[in-house]
Amino acid sequence: ETGVTQSPTHLIKTRGQQVTLRCSSQSGHNTVSWYQQALGQGPQFIFQYYREEENGRGNFPPRFSGLQFPNYSSELNVNALELDDSALYLCASSLDGSGGNNEQFFGPGTRLTVL
Amino acid sequence: KQEVTQIPAALSVPEGENLVLNCSFTDSAIYNLQWFRQDPGKGLTSLLLIQSSQREQTSGRLNASLDKSSGRSTLYIAASQPGDSATYLCAAKGYTGTASKLTFGTGTRLQVTL
Repeated sequence: ETGVTQSPTHLIKTRGQQVTLRCSSQSGHNTVSWYQQALGQGPQFIFQYYREEENGRGNFPPRFSGLQFPNYSSELNVNALELDDSALYLCASSLDGSGGNNEQFFGPGTRLTVL
Repeated sequence: KQEVTQIPAALSVPEGENLVLNCSFTDSAIYNLQWFRQDPGKGLTSLLLIQSSQREQTSGRLNASLDKSSGRSTLYIAASQPGDSATYLCAAKGYTGTASKLTFGTGTRLQVTL
């Protein structure tokens, strides 16, 4: 059974650029959630995709967008990068739709630095 | 809106000590409570998950308890070792609309000294 994977591991961008981060969910999981973790903080919920639809969003502006594909992998896109977007981006997959107590399994994260 | 607080923010103990990390949450309508470990610059490692119907979970030297009515969870680490040094995060699972989400605390940074 393959766990959650993310790519790339590290990324450096400049202000105003756009970035795409990728996540492959664990086999059998249909839900992907994205979190942003700034230095010294706990992860903050960005949004969640369930069966290719966004079904919930945290307090993040529209320049944060995403996709989920038929194989349940996912992308996080951030436009017009700002310095404060520098963070560790974590994705988590789960099997939802059958109850609320299913565990979310996390990938290793992508470290984004915006200069 | 769920808020999760962890106390203390940092802790330094000598090797061999037993210790308790605290986590409190404001909304008791949670589905589960999860404890994670995070090493510097790394992702999250899940340690223990307690379902809302459970009172505690144990794994090796770790024991986590959950008291939903008081909005509290504790992580007990027995016989601490230098390898336990890391940041420990707790997260409460709830829903925003139809999306399940974890609300994290800011963590307790633990250092175990020789």
